Amino acid sequence: DAKTTQPNSMESNEEEPVHLPCNHSTISGTDYIHWYRQLPSQGPEYVIHGLTSNVNNRMASLAIAEDRKSSTLILHRATLRDAAVYYCILRDFVRNAGNMLTFGGGTRLMVKP
Amino acid sequence: EAGVAQSPRYKIIEKRQSVAFWCNPISGHATLYWYQQILGQGPKLLIQFQNNGVVDDSQLPKDRFSAERLKGVDSTLKIQPAKLEDSAVYLCASSNFSGGLSKNIQYFGAGTRLSVL
Repeated sequence: DAKTTQPNSMESNEEEPVHLPCNHSTISGTDYIHWYRQLPSQGPEYVIHGLTSNVNNRMASLAIAEDRKSSTLILHRATLRDAAVYYCILRDFVRNAGNMLTFGGGTRLMVKP
Repeated sequence: EAGVAQSPRYKIIEKRQSVAFWCNPISGHATLYWYQQILGQGPKLLIQFQNNGVVDDSQLPKDRFSAERLKGVDSTLKIQPAKLEDSAVYLCASSNFSGGLSKNIQYFGAGTRLSVL
């Protein structure tokens, strides 16, 4: 699977929007963009995924650049419970027959009250 | 719906000892994964099962690590003998390909934190 690049850490104020960037300049046409997050002392949990179009769900929004070489996870109003490590992962469902997740270092989001 | 259950939550052993971790996936999930997460890093896949068969164990250190999934439900990961560098959180995840192939959400347990002294 293609690699992703994320900032090591970001800070946000509570109740403000947060934009978490991810660069994936070597993305292929069959790569889906997935986001997982890991709260302290817990396993990762799924947040959102997309292919080409922007996506919204109850947890977050995913904005995908037109050339698909970057994406942004948007938390519309950060809460203290959103403090976590956020992972941007590319999953190729053609070549990745096992659909395994390849995690990078992720972005540690700190939320200040 | 119950989540992925793992036990124990914590384990402390001395190097060269043996240790085993247990995982009970979400009911009906055919695929089960074991990941190793070293402090400060993202999880790394060790082994993947589809029902009771191994799909991928290319990153499993087979000289000391073993895993099984008898009857295609629960799974056990064993380390024998343990080394200092095995200190990590061992995460179990399961999935059932619901929501279409593009989604295939993996659901993770809380993990077992292993300290090797």
